[in-house]
Amino acid sequence: IAGITQAPTSQILAAGRRMTLRCTQDMRHNAMYWYRQDLGLGLRLIHYSNTAGTTGKGEVPDGYSVSRANTDDFPLTLASAVPSQTSVYFCASSDSPRTSSYNEQFFGPGTRLTVL
Amino acid sequence: ELKVEQNPLFLSMQEGKNYTIYCNYSTTSDRLYWYRQDPGKSLESLFVLLSNGAVKQEGRLMASLDTKARLSTLHITAAVHDLSATYFCAGQETSGSRLTFGEGTQLTVNP
Repeated sequence: IAGITQAPTSQILAAGRRMTLRCTQDMRHNAMYWYRQDLGLGLRLIHYSNTAGTTGKGEVPDGYSVSRANTDDFPLTLASAVPSQTSVYFCASSDSPRTSSYNEQFFGPGTRLTVL
Repeated sequence: ELKVEQNPLFLSMQEGKNYTIYCNYSTTSDRLYWYRQDPGKSLESLFVLLSNGAVKQEGRLMASLDTKARLSTLHITAAVHDLSATYFCAGQETSGSRLTFGEGTQLTVNP
């Protein structure tokens, strides 16, 4: 693994179903993030984690949950999917601001999710 | 709350021409980032600007930061078709690591 991987690449899901998007990084970054990208709205932060064991809400957290059991993995769960959650989801990671002057975020390849 | 606005949102230009994309942000931002996204692809980091007056250049792209004006610019020199993509700027508040993205500028360079 090099960088950030996401799975699945794409998924079509029936409304009401539960879905977990997976994200794994091998850069030993402390911070991880989930964004959704919708046409005309840019990228919006869903949830984030500054370090393993902690999580926080972003701009659009409703309907989503995350966990951060270890440094490498940051899964995003849709408990009961709705059509408005149709989007492209990107996971990202970065060093903690305390350890890096750049704190650049590196992005995974994305998951295209369609909820019918 | 940090807000980031880009303009223009759509830009069509001819090869060989110069143009500038503007990124305004609403409150004090610790850092300013520029990313590129090709259709159907992920985001690729272009520049990280850390301080007032910072200027960085890579090939035909040059980014600058004016923290007093709360403005960053991405200048394109002698555009070529390969630069066609969507460009995002993102600001980072001083209190944390989260980024706030602009809406993106969809650039098309025509031969």
